[in-house]
Amino acid sequence: DAGVIQSPRHEVTEMGQEVTLRCKPISGHDYLFWYRQTMMRGLELLIYFNNNVPIDDSGMPEDRFSAKMPNASFSTLKIQPSEPRDSAVYFCASSPTGLAVSTDTQYFGPGTRLTVL
Amino acid sequence: KQEVTQIPAALSVPEGENLVLNCSFTDSAIYNLQWFRQDPGKGLTSLLLIQSSQREQTSGRLNASLDKSSGRSTLYIAASQPGDSATYLCAVTPYNQGGKLIFGQGTELSVKP
Repeated sequence: DAGVIQSPRHEVTEMGQEVTLRCKPISGHDYLFWYRQTMMRGLELLIYFNNNVPIDDSGMPEDRFSAKMPNASFSTLKIQPSEPRDSAVYFCASSPTGLAVSTDTQYFGPGTRLTVL
Repeated sequence: KQEVTQIPAALSVPEGENLVLNCSFTDSAIYNLQWFRQDPGKGLTSLLLIQSSQREQTSGRLNASLDKSSGRSTLYIAASQPGDSATYLCAVTPYNQGGKLIFGQGTELSVKP
């Protein structure tokens, strides 16, 4: 298996532009997670999906952020409009089942490094 | 609110030393605790997962312990090697929050040849 695939790996954009990050989870995994990592705040969960349905989006910082999962093999995280404080590394992860009831871990993609000028 | 703290933030040791990384969490109501490794520019890789009913897990030169009542975990690395250089993060899965992971800030480990 190729693992979790994210694109692009690097994104540089200007303030006010729309940014779309993409993720392909591992086939057969029911859970998909979006995280953001910064030096100041560390690794934070933004939103997660179970069987393509958003379950918890309490970590989404504000309305400028939105996430979708139109099918089991694809998810997007969109920022519109982008701001310099959105600069971070965004990770996607997938898991076969919810961690609360199993020993399955989350498998992380390589991340997208976003820079907003 | 669950908080996870890792000490130290950075650690540098000579090759061959045994070392311990520390993780503490404020709420003992967790399903499990995990240790991850993160290499520069890459994602996270799970090293060890300890369920709340377990005391420790071992994988090769790594041993992780969990004391849920005191809110502490340690990751012991034996006979460290330069290839162990990375950032190590611990994360807990709290009760009643689905599969959400709460991460510590990580310990950046450098093993010098």
